[in-house]
Amino acid sequence: GNSVTQMEGPVTLSEEAFLTINCTYTATGYPSLFWYVQYPGEGLQLLLKATKADDKGSNKGFEATYRKETTSFHLEKGSVQVSDSAVYFCALRAFDQTGANNLFFGTGTRLTVIP
Amino acid sequence: DGGITQSPKYLFRKEGQNVTLSCEQNLNHDAMYWYRQDPGQGLRLIYYSQIVNDFQKGDIAEGYSVSREKKESFPLTVTSAQKNPTAFYLCASSSTPGLLNLNEQFFGPGTRLTVL
Repeated sequence: GNSVTQMEGPVTLSEEAFLTINCTYTATGYPSLFWYVQYPGEGLQLLLKATKADDKGSNKGFEATYRKETTSFHLEKGSVQVSDSAVYFCALRAFDQTGANNLFFGTGTRLTVIP
Repeated sequence: DGGITQSPKYLFRKEGQNVTLSCEQNLNHDAMYWYRQDPGQGLRLIYYSQIVNDFQKGDIAEGYSVSREKKESFPLTVTSAQKNPTAFYLCASSSTPGLLNLNEQFFGPGTRLTVL
């Protein structure tokens, strides 16, 4: 089946620290992988995506590489800012045995960046 | 501007009442989705619709109902049969995927439902 396992939070970092949030997945077929970000009281926004193995998604200084050999899609940022404080969700989209192609989410990781 | 709107942002309901949450999109997307998010947890799929006049149950459909009479609209009704309806509800939409084109879902701003 399809599932996502995400590093549990919360994560607290000082400004300018290096961020890694681990994400591994199990999927049938060839999934697309996503990182979404949720700011307090808001919906989810797409942060970055990768649609095939070895693709690197990047946006706003965040990066993640689709690693098929380790079934991982870890999120990284070299220098976090206070404005990066949010909840981050790893997700995959793949076809299942019924032909549906829904999103499967990790449980989310809350990041707090302190000045 | 294209996007997804949800209304209202906050909704209060008395126990035993049905309530309907609105979701509208002008992205010309075929597929629409409803998720529920509980504090500190991820998203769980309630219902989804891949085309007008068709919808499927997600992982937690009990106590909910939907309709998809128009491409732009996918309202969710939380019925009195839903035992624990207090949550944050998110609507999403996406374009029809090809076999190698599993694109992202776009999310609305959410509706926070509280049962009093």
